[in-house]
Amino acid sequence: GENVEQHPSTLSVQEGDSAVIKCTYSDSASNYFPWYKQELGKRPQLIIDIRSNVGEKKDQRIAVTLNKTAKHFSLHITETQPEDSAVYFCAALYSGGGADGLTFGKGTHLIIQP
Amino acid sequence: DAGVTQSPTHLIKTRGQHVTLRCSPISGHKSVSWYQQVLGQGPQFIFQYYEKEERGRGNFPDRFSARQFPNYSSELNVNALLLGDSALYLCASKRGGGFYEQYFGPGTRLTVT
Repeated sequence: GENVEQHPSTLSVQEGDSAVIKCTYSDSASNYFPWYKQELGKRPQLIIDIRSNVGEKKDQRIAVTLNKTAKHFSLHITETQPEDSAVYFCAALYSGGGADGLTFGKGTHLIIQP
Repeated sequence: DAGVTQSPTHLIKTRGQHVTLRCSPISGHKSVSWYQQVLGQGPQFIFQYYEKEERGRGNFPDRFSARQFPNYSSELNVNALLLGDSALYLCASKRGGGFYEQYFGPGTRLTVT
């Protein structure tokens, strides 16, 4: 089955700086890669996603890049703000196999220092 | 527009008991998936149901079962509870068809003592 590795486990950045979180996946058939933000005690919230036919996608201060050859994708957050502090999870999915079960990484705790 | 809802919010059970968790998807969504999130980890896939049929199952024992009703709501059942079943159980709703995005409910916090 699919395996997703996520790094780093904790990331501390100064407010206003950029943050990058990296994930690798094992199944070359995976074709959908979402990112979720989970604040303490709350539900995972879908913040951005990318499909395998696209190399990069941006939404205001966040962007995701995908390298299919290296089986690697990354989340980029620019001009970080205190409300960006949360745990971020990457995930991968092969949507053509019938089931749509996401495989998640172990999460990155992003801390924005004032 | 209501999001995914789950009940109950919290639950405390004793080892060996049985539990039923409930989920209502976003209106218009036909697919429901269940995930288990242990503290400090990412969610783990348990089941997916689409149009009332099981579409996929993760690596969980047969003590876990689920079903989806004609209104697309879903139940997750866990028998013979173990201490290790203590976790946040999340339900995710998806429109179905060619739509990939999954939206999570607030979860049910299950504590087994």
